[in-house]
Amino acid sequence: EIVLTQSPVTLSLSPGERATLSCRASQTVSSTYLGWYQHKPGQAPRLLIHGASNRAPGTPDRFSGSGSGTDFTLTISSLEPEDFAVYYCQQYGSSPYTFGQGTKLEIK
Amino acid sequence: QVQLQESGPGLLKPSQTLSLTCTVSGDSLSGDTYLYNWIRQPAGKGLEWIGRISASGFTIYNPSLSGRVTISVDTSKNQFSLRLTSVTAADTADYYCARGPKPLGVILDWGQGALVTVSS
Repeated sequence: EIVLTQSPVTLSLSPGERATLSCRASQTVSSTYLGWYQHKPGQAPRLLIHGASNRAPGTPDRFSGSGSGTDFTLTISSLEPEDFAVYYCQQYGSSPYTFGQGTKLEIK
Repeated sequence: QVQLQESGPGLLKPSQTLSLTCTVSGDSLSGDTYLYNWIRQPAGKGLEWIGRISASGFTIYNPSLSGRVTISVDTSKNQFSLRLTSVTAADTADYYCARGPKPLGVILDWGQGALVTVSS
């Protein structure tokens, strides 16, 4: 099983600041099979990025994904109030299709 | 626009069987262009992938559920279902049905989630 470790667990920032979220895999993950999701309380998770760097339909361009191998990053260039949420990475290339434990992005 | 909606009992006793159904509207399952997943989230914890099925019935399950899980599909009703046997309090969670396009399987569309509580 591929274990995904996200850091930091909590990130406290202000609107307008840049956010950098990390996802590290215990084994190599093909970039094709790495996604990022946003999850707000009481809502369904939402796909932001697939294939490590491809924005899903409707994802604002302030969100970008990068990385390869075992290290992947989600960057939000300038935080908007609606961006404060929990973010999960997921690998869907090797069963079981595991998620990271999440990074909570909170308002400072 | 496609919608997925979970339905099923919200309260179970230990050792009972959890049964949830996901109804897909706005698209046909029988087109066989998507993979259909179940995912859960215990309160205060992260997301756990349970398993997935194709419209043709091919399944993959998370080994952590030790053979307790079965996912099935009924294309005539545009539904897919989750069955989890011998539940314990550890199975208390929000359960989401979701789908993603073949062949990658990334999860694109999600249901709103259904809370299932296991308590004596």
